[in-house]
Amino acid sequence: KQEVTQIPAALSVPEGENLVLNCSFTDSAIYNLQWFRQDPGKGLTSLLLIQSSQREQTSGRLNASLDKSSGRSTLYIAASQPGDSATYLCAVLPGNTGKLIFGQGTTLQVKP
Amino acid sequence: EAGVAQSPRYKIIEKRQSVAFWCNPISGHATLYWYQQILGQGPKLLIQFQNNGVVDDSQLPKDRFSAERLKGVDSTLKIQPAKLEDSAVYLCASSLGRESSYNEQFFGPGTRLTVL
Repeated sequence: KQEVTQIPAALSVPEGENLVLNCSFTDSAIYNLQWFRQDPGKGLTSLLLIQSSQREQTSGRLNASLDKSSGRSTLYIAASQPGDSATYLCAVLPGNTGKLIFGQGTTLQVKP
Repeated sequence: EAGVAQSPRYKIIEKRQSVAFWCNPISGHATLYWYQQILGQGPKLLIQFQNNGVVDDSQLPKDRFSAERLKGVDSTLKIQPAKLEDSAVYLCASSLGRESSYNEQFFGPGTRLTVL
């Protein structure tokens, strides 16, 4: 059974810091991995999607990497800003069937 | 491009009452998902539609939850009767398809349900 874990559960950093959020999954047989952002009381916004054949994806100040063999993904945020404060969720697609399995999320606070 | 629409945004009901949620996916998206997100947890898939057919409802509590997607576009999720533990955010998502190459899922704003 696929399980997804995100550590830490919460993180507080001063503005301007570079930071890394971690995601691990128990079964390396995945088709893709997505990182989402969730603001309080809002839905999920897709940030980056990495197909199983890819190693990383970049969008602006965000970079996500994928190491299937070790069951790990990281989301790197450069030069963090208070507007980056949100909960970040990773999710894996374990089969070619559409069902995403989510981690519990990391709640990030960036202090001015 | 319009995103996934959901209504209502908030709902408060008493236990044993019934409630219904509505979702309109992104135009052209064949696959529609309903997720339940309990406070402090990641979303959990309840049911997945491909066009108007159900392809996965293994985690849907079928004694009280039902969902339909008539004409392969809009969808409704119903709870009858509601229990306290159904308090959660109900998220609707859609994607072009189920296969991984088409499976970037886009989420609506969610409906926050409180059962008293």
